[in-house]
Amino acid sequence: GENVEQHPSTLSVQEGDSAVIKCTYSDSASNYFPWYKQELGKGPQLIIDIRSNVGEKKDQRIAVTLNKTAKHFSLHITETQPEDSAVYFCAASSSNDYKLSFGAGTTVTVRA
Amino acid sequence: SAVISQKPSRDICQRGTSLTIQCQVDSQVTMMFWYRQQPGQSLTLIATANQGSEATYESGFVIDKFPISRPNLTFSTLTVSNMSPEDSSIYLCSVRSGFDYNEQFFGPGTRLTVL
Repeated sequence: GENVEQHPSTLSVQEGDSAVIKCTYSDSASNYFPWYKQELGKGPQLIIDIRSNVGEKKDQRIAVTLNKTAKHFSLHITETQPEDSAVYFCAASSSNDYKLSFGAGTTVTVRA
Repeated sequence: SAVISQKPSRDICQRGTSLTIQCQVDSQVTMMFWYRQQPGQSLTLIATANQGSEATYESGFVIDKFPISRPNLTFSTLTVSNMSPEDSSIYLCSVRSGFDYNEQFFGPGTRLTVL
């Protein structure tokens, strides 16, 4: 089955700086890569996703990149704000069964 | 995206008892799932709730421990049976809509503590 590894496990950044979270996957059939943000006491929220036919996608301060050859994808948050503090999960799935395999999560803390 | 609600939002239960968690979606969805998130951990898929038929369980999860119902396209229940402290987790309902078969959304979760 798919194995998704996520790094780092914790990330502390100064407000206004950028944050980068990296994930690798093992199954070359994976073609959908979502990112979720989970705030304390809440369920995971889908914040952005990327499909295998695209190398990069942006949405305001958030961007994702995908390198299919190397089997890795990354989340970039620019101009971080205190409200970006949360746990972020990457995930991967394929068209074979659409089951999401999640990374272990990254706890992001934005220091004011 | 679909709006998902869960009841209860949290509960504290005694070992040996059972708890049924409800998941309600504001629109008809093609697929519903139940996940477990142990403290400080990632999400683990328990089962896919199939409308009108038995749920499909992942390895390590069995129907006797986690019976699931899905009577229609907007509602599902997960029961945690004969609970032990190891069952203390967040239980999350998740759905996929028909508009984009890939996009998957999560409910707010049910925080369960077993004493």
